[in-house]
Amino acid sequence: QVQLQESGPGLVKPSGTLSLTCAVSGGSISDNNWWTWVRQPPEKGLEWIGEIYHSGSTNYNPSLKSRVTISVDKSKNQFSLKLISVTAADTAVYYCARGGGYLFDDWGQGTLVTVSS
Amino acid sequence: QSALTQPPSASGSPGQSVTISCTGTSSDVGGYIFVSWYQHHPGKAPKLIIYEVSKRPSGVPDRFSGSKSGNTASLTVSGLQTEDEADYYCSSYAGGNNFYVFGTGTKVTVL
Repeated sequence: QVQLQESGPGLVKPSGTLSLTCAVSGGSISDNNWWTWVRQPPEKGLEWIGEIYHSGSTNYNPSLKSRVTISVDKSKNQFSLKLISVTAADTAVYYCARGGGYLFDDWGQGTLVTVSS
Repeated sequence: QSALTQPPSASGSPGQSVTISCTGTSSDVGGYIFVSWYQHHPGKAPKLIIYEVSKRPSGVPDRFSGSKSGNTASLTVSGLQTEDEADYYCSSYAGGNNFYVFGTGTKVTVL
């Protein structure tokens, strides 16, 4: 079982950039997995944001694709999320997860990011 | 891509069973076997409890079972226990353009 831990600012200004990192332990980010970001706005359900393979190949939710970048840092065994031009609608708990085989079998505990001035 | 539809809530007494539905379309739930279910206790990491419609990961009790008919998948929790009180989300692969879609979530209450 892999452990994942999200980190990053809890407050981002409107029109700013949301940046989060997910540290992976208990496994290598170069393993055969798709490293994933999922978010949950307050009082709403989960939303898949996107994923990255250790090779750098990415897939994104079409509704967020123009604003999202997911990257991987193999030297630090971590991957990152960047979301630009944020609004209040991007306020959510952001989770990182280990994917592959069309499922998500390990998750971080999540980190709340609030978009507010 | 719209979220999969789940009932907002479900409940049962200890020992009883509860079934949660997850309705999508032929482009997601109906089109693939890749339906999974997650148990989420607020403030904690979500946990995979069912994958590929009806398979259980190692360590998940057999009280949890899944099925699918057409565009609707279902999760049944038998022999409800107090620790089963949580939010439950379904998820489905939705093809190479939309990739993954989650359900709206169901809060299960053990009375």
